Amino acid sequence: GDSVTQMEGPVTLSEEAFLTINCTYTATGYPSLFWYVQYPGEGLQLLLKATKADDKGSNKGFEATYRKETTSFHLEKGSVQVSDSAVYFCALTTWRDMRFGAGTRLTVKP
Amino acid sequence: ETGVTQTPRHLVMGMTNKKSLKCEQHLGHNAMYWYKQSAKKPLELMFVYNFKEQTENNSVPSRFSPECPNSSHLFLHLHTLQPEDSALYLCASSQDIGDSYEQYFGPGTRLTVT
Repeated sequence: GDSVTQMEGPVTLSEEAFLTINCTYTATGYPSLFWYVQYPGEGLQLLLKATKADDKGSNKGFEATYRKETTSFHLEKGSVQVSDSAVYFCALTTWRDMRFGAGTRLTVKP
Repeated sequence: ETGVTQTPRHLVMGMTNKKSLKCEQHLGHNAMYWYKQSAKKPLELMFVYNFKEQTENNSVPSRFSPECPNSSHLFLHLHTLQPEDSALYLCASSQDIGDSYEQYFGPGTRLTVT
């Protein structure tokens, strides 16, 4: 079945460091790919998405490119801030199926 | 109020109790979802409703009973739960069901079964 695998955390970085959170997927169809973020005490919020191969999603300085050849959708940000501390979830959807990764906790220290 | 709201935010119940979780979306969406979020496990999709009709039930035990009276409201009725059912229960909605529609999540109900 469809699945999403993302790097285990926690990830701890200093402010202004470069961030990469790896995400790979397995899907029988042509999924759309998403990154969601969950701040403490809140539900998940959409961070960015890409709906077809080679699309790049971007928002708030975060980027991810849909790579069909490597079945990956890695999340990157050039300079993280303390306010980026949260749990990040990679997800895929196909028609009638949704899968989330286990989440990666990011802590950014001043 | 806007977005997706859930009540209560916290719930403690005994194994013999009956309680209900409520979700309401103010986004005009047609699809609604229940998820279970447990520590160190992927988010588990429990139920999907589209236009008030249940379209997915991912082998959820019968002690969880969903109800969707209209496209804006979704309930999860709970009875004779087990301690391993303690988790954060998230409700979400989307414009429709399909691969490109993002989901909007509520803040969740933190459930503790004693």
